[in-house]
Amino acid sequence: DAGVTQSPTHLIKTRGQQVTLRCSPKSGHDTVSWYQQALGQGPQFIFQYYEEEERQRGNFPDRFSGHQFPNYSSELNVNALLLGDSALYLCASSWVTRGAGANVLTFGAGSRLTVL
Amino acid sequence: GDSVTQMEGPVTLSEEAFLTINCTYTATGYPSLFWYVQYPGEGLQLLLKATKADDKGSNKGFEATYRKETTSFHLEKGSVQVSDSAVYFCALSDRSGGSNYKLTFGKGTLLTVNP
Repeated sequence: DAGVTQSPTHLIKTRGQQVTLRCSPKSGHDTVSWYQQALGQGPQFIFQYYEEEERQRGNFPDRFSGHQFPNYSSELNVNALLLGDSALYLCASSWVTRGAGANVLTFGAGSRLTVL
Repeated sequence: GDSVTQMEGPVTLSEEAFLTINCTYTATGYPSLFWYVQYPGEGLQLLLKATKADDKGSNKGFEATYRKETTSFHLEKGSVQVSDSAVYFCALSDRSGGSNYKLTFGKGTLLTVNP
């Protein structure tokens, strides 16, 4: 059973360019979240998609946008790249839980973005 | 807002030593608490979790107890192995937005275990 898959694994862009990162969730999962992990830091929540809509958003500018497709896969788009956008971008999937208890996320290996 | 504070690293231990990584949190309401581990070049893997006060999460010899009175969730292992070398993240999950949770992470603690 494949877990969360992300592509590309590594990419290099220059300032001002745009980038699209892709994520396929674990089989059976319907919710996708994106996190940014700067070097030496913990992951920071960007946003979460469920039923093809953005449900929650962290403290990130509008340059960061996303999309979820009917098959639950997702894209993260970043426009007008800045040097500070260099980071590991992690996708995590889960399924909506309506009862009590923790919603456990399954993370992909990430896409390493370098902005020059 | 929610926040997680972890013991600063790096932590270097000899094999079979006792491990403690401290974690405290600030949150409104009643969060769930997690420890994630990140091995070099990989994504995060869930190590253990606890969903309410006094719960003890455990996995692979690691343990952590949800202490509401001290807002803590310290990670412990009685005897570490070289294969435990990784970065460990403490995290909390808030319940805002209904049942779709988001995680707030600490900065991570790098553990190196020498033979």
